[in-house]
Amino acid sequence: QVRLQESGPGLVNPSETLSLICSVSGGSITSHYWSWIRQPPGKKLEWIGYVFNTGSTDYNPSLKSRVSISMDTSKNQFSLNVDSLSVTDTAVYYCTRGFGFVDVWGQGTLVSVSS
Amino acid sequence: EIVLTQSPGSLSLSLGERATLSCRASQTIPNNYLAWHQQKPGQAPRLLIYETSSRAAGIPDRFVGSGSGTDFTLTITRLEPEDFAVYYCQQYGRSPRTFGQGTRVEIK
Repeated sequence: QVRLQESGPGLVNPSETLSLICSVSGGSITSHYWSWIRQPPGKKLEWIGYVFNTGSTDYNPSLKSRVSISMDTSKNQFSLNVDSLSVTDTAVYYCTRGFGFVDVWGQGTLVSVSS
Repeated sequence: EIVLTQSPGSLSLSLGERATLSCRASQTIPNNYLAWHQQKPGQAPRLLIYETSSRAAGIPDRFVGSGSGTDFTLTITRLEPEDFAVYYCQQYGRSPRTFGQGTRVEIK
């Protein structure tokens, strides 16, 4: 059974860069698409983007200028970077599996943007 | 982007009752690529339904998805205690993938 676990800082300063890592266990990262999704407090889920092992990526246009997703196949991990953070980036960030629909979700990690 | 509007915002029902949740899209969803996810407090969402009506592995048959085009429905035929949660629809027919705002199913 594939399991996903997010790791990263719980608190980040405005204008800084957020870096999150998702560790994948129970399966190879090379055989699927992997995505990041976030959920601001009290708001709906927002798809951030995905990565595939060919290096192919796609991002939500609303975040595209500030986001990058990459994959490290040697560690069976993928990662998310979000630049120029503001308080509106405060959210639970989920790493997930799926190109279209999400079929496996990580537990999520709360990231607060505050000085 | 395709905007998904879910209704009602919340639903108060008793055990054993039928729940009908609606998800309306701002434009036709290609290939009816519509999924439903369930989220309980403090937990990650869980996939219930994909491609409008296909149940994910391990999902009981009381969860029934239907619809096409712009109008989709999730029906829970007989509510069990573990079904009280928030339900989100998600379209993946067009990028960016988008979610509805959710319907909360509460115990009456």
